[in-house]
Amino acid sequence: EEKLVQSGTEVKKPGESLRISCKHSGYYFTSYWIGWVRQVPGKGLEWMGVIYPADSDTRYNSPFQGQVTFSADRSINTAYLQWNSLKASDSAIYYCARLGAGGSSFDIWGQGTMVSVSS
Amino acid sequence: EIVLTQSPGTLSLSPGERATLSCRASQSVGSSYLAWYQQRPGQTPRLLIYESSTRAAGVPDRFSGSRSGADFTLTISRLEPEDFAVYYCQHYHGSLLISFGGGTKVEIK
Repeated sequence: EEKLVQSGTEVKKPGESLRISCKHSGYYFTSYWIGWVRQVPGKGLEWMGVIYPADSDTRYNSPFQGQVTFSADRSINTAYLQWNSLKASDSAIYYCARLGAGGSSFDIWGQGTMVSVSS
Repeated sequence: EIVLTQSPGTLSLSPGERATLSCRASQSVGSSYLAWYQQRPGQTPRLLIYESSTRAAGVPDRFSGSRSGADFTLTISRLEPEDFAVYYCQHYHGSLLISFGGGTKVEIK
């Protein structure tokens, strides 16, 4: 079965750093772009950007450029989303998703990682 | 930046009724790379339709998608109880640029 499994809930303080993960199984990881999507509870989906695990090429949506960093480790089939200094406004659910289905839509989603940032 | 506007914000219908959801792009979009997702409460989004009208694997045929110029439509022919959820459209603009609409909630009347 093709799936993406994300790391668990995180509770952090403002200014702390964080890296969450997204591990794939069941398909050739490096053949697809992986996207990150933010969802503030009760709100809509926001596209953050994508990474190509084969060569770590990235594209960021402009509001997230410079605020987060995408990375990937091909050897363990895992993509990462990282913050160097969290803010309370980063509190949200973060999803990773595979850009499959013709290369234009997200056909496989991780279960989401809840990040809570509070002093 | 292409902005996707979904309407209505909320659709109140009864099981068995037909649902028509709209997604309008802010500018002419040359491609039909428009997808629809369903998100039930507390669940992960699920791909329903991609490339405007192609159903994803396992999606019932009561879901259909269509396009007319910059307007895209998701139709649910007869609502089942499990269809009451929030629906999002998403467009791929090319060069790996993507945007989501704000969502339409389909609620039980």
